[in-house]
Amino acid sequence: EAGVAQSPRYKIIEKRQSVAFWCNPISGHATLYWYQQILGQGPKLLIQFQNNGVVDDSQLPKDRFSAERLKGVDSTLKIQPAKLEDSAVYLCASSLLGSKSYEQYFGPGTRLTVT
Amino acid sequence: GNSVTQMEGPVTLSEEAFLTINCTYTATGYPSLFWYVQYPGEGLQLLLKATKADDKGSNKGFEATYRKETTSFHLEKGSVQVSDSAVYFCALIVPGNKLVFGAGTILRVKS
Repeated sequence: EAGVAQSPRYKIIEKRQSVAFWCNPISGHATLYWYQQILGQGPKLLIQFQNNGVVDDSQLPKDRFSAERLKGVDSTLKIQPAKLEDSAVYLCASSLLGSKSYEQYFGPGTRLTVT
Repeated sequence: GNSVTQMEGPVTLSEEAFLTINCTYTATGYPSLFWYVQYPGEGLQLLLKATKADDKGSNKGFEATYRKETTSFHLEKGSVQVSDSAVYFCALIVPGNKLVFGAGTILRVKS
């Protein structure tokens, strides 16, 4: 079974530029999560989707961050414009609905450096 | 609110040494608890979990016991290997299936 795929793996941009990250969850997983992991900290949830609907985006800085999950499969997270403090690893995870929904499977992440 | 506190690292051990990484939590009720591991260049992987008080999660020689009286979920391994070098995250799950992570503990094992 293929795992969660993310691209790109690394991205370097200047502040005020825009950037987009892509995630393809495990086939059949209805729930998709985006986390931000700043160096030296644990991952922090940005947004949670169930199918193509947003379940929780309370921690998403909506003035600059946006995310979508069209057709309930792939997802894109965008930052526009980027700030220095957005430098972090962006992790995508997915999980099944139902009794196994606790287990979240993580992708390798995208490391963003904003200069 | 819900939070997780882990011992600070890095923790540096020699091969075959005993490992303990402390984890305590604050939460409403009795959440399920997890340890995730992140090897260099890879994503987080679930290492073990416990869903209720006194449960012991175990995997790959690692163990952790859910202690509600001390709100703790310490990670232990009797004999570490160089291949165990990684970052270890303690986490709990809150309603809505959202994970709350600790800051992570770097483990370095020397041969």
